[in-house]
Amino acid sequence: DIQMTQSPSSVSASVGDRVTITCRASQGISSWLAWYQQKPGKAPKLLIYAASSLQSGVPSRFSGSGSGTDFTLTISSLQPEDFATYYCQQANSFLPLTFGGGTKVEIK
Amino acid sequence: QVQLQESGPGLVKPSQTLSLTCTVSGGSISSGSYYWSWIRQPAGKGLEWIGRIYTSGSTNYNPSLKSRVTISVDTSKNQFSLKLSSVTAADTAVYYCARGTTMVRGFDYWGQGTLVTVSS
Repeated sequence: DIQMTQSPSSVSASVGDRVTITCRASQGISSWLAWYQQKPGKAPKLLIYAASSLQSGVPSRFSGSGSGTDFTLTISSLQPEDFATYYCQQANSFLPLTFGGGTKVEIK
Repeated sequence: QVQLQESGPGLVKPSQTLSLTCTVSGGSISSGSYYWSWIRQPAGKGLEWIGRIYTSGSTNYNPSLKSRVTISVDTSKNQFSLKLSSVTAADTAVYYCARGTTMVRGFDYWGQGTLVTVSS
């Protein structure tokens, strides 16, 4: 299995802050990485696919980058509705599909 | 707008079989380059992919669950289903159904999730 390691596991930030979350794959997955946002009691929501493509309807303050084994999700200016848990997922052809452990973005 | 909705028992006894159905509305389950997955999340923990099915009937399962999992599709009802046998307390989780796309390679539509508790 491809292991996906996210860091940090939690981050405290204030509204307006720039927040960066990293995700590392245990082997190269090209650009086949997706990012999700999950709020308590809700299903995950797709934010970014193919490492850097913004899903339709997602605000432009969210951006993704990386390829191979190292990826980042950046929120350029944190908004109140962005406090949530974020997951990365390897979407290469390697099975099983796997997710990172999650990063909780909390209010500072 | 595509919508997915899970249904099935919320309580299953140990050693029995967990059965869930996902009903897809707002579009045909057979159209487009999609696959249909089950994903679960134990309380307070991360996401685990269980498996997927294409409308051709082709399936892939997580090896950690493969011996106990069956995913099937009923295109006439626009539904796909999950069966997980010989359940234990470790299978207690919120179960989500989701649509994956071969173009985007992510899960772009999700059901709201259903909590399944394994307990006697």
